[in-house]
Amino acid sequence: VQLVESGGGVVQPGRSLRLSCGASGFTFSTLAMHWVRQAPGKGLEWVALISSDGYNKYYADSVKGRFVISRDNFKNTLYLQMNSLTVEDTGLYYCARDPAAAGSGECDYWGQGTRVTVSS
Amino acid sequence: DIQMTQSPSSLSASVGDRVTITCRTSQNIGRYLNWYQQKPGKAPKLLIYTASNLQSGVPSRFSGSGSGTDFTLTINFLQSEDFATYYCQQSHSAPQGFTFGPGTKVEI
Repeated sequence: VQLVESGGGVVQPGRSLRLSCGASGFTFSTLAMHWVRQAPGKGLEWVALISSDGYNKYYADSVKGRFVISRDNFKNTLYLQMNSLTVEDTGLYYCARDPAAAGSGECDYWGQGTRVTVSS
Repeated sequence: DIQMTQSPSSLSASVGDRVTITCRTSQNIGRYLNWYQQKPGKAPKLLIYTASNLQSGVPSRFSGSGSGTDFTLTINFLQSEDFATYYCQQSHSAPQGFTFGPGTKVEI
């Protein structure tokens, strides 16, 4: 199993950014996926979950209405569209695999993360 | 929302010690509680799922227990590679979010 995030960078407050996570080593289309983030020096914060078929999506209150999780099961890729970014969104963003199709909440494999910095 | 607390926030221990970390939730989550280990500069690693199930490849010195609102992670015979930060996570309900606890740092 390999998960590789990309798309991070430095962005001004109020702007948008799209993260990607390429998956390999398992049947991507059969399992739910998560985004989890970690602010510098802080703990883990769950961000979003998408079911295997992409129909069910759930978000943390802190990002609801601003972030959109999606997936392309033909490209084995997970996405996170982040809009109206604030400095509080700064951190390392991990994608993680869920061992269930609908999403059990467990994150059994993680990528190495992509860093997002929101700064003027 | 389900609130999570962990205690202690940090602890000092020695190789060979037994370490116990507690996680409490603000509402009954049954056994939907997971534990992760994170070392500096590394991604988290799943240790225990649904309160007491050992993830494949995780040493048997790690164990989890509890249900409802009170949960425990125990590390028997602490090894040097176990010095890390440990997080609990509730996975009771997707619409409520899968909240992580604040973490417990285990130091030498």
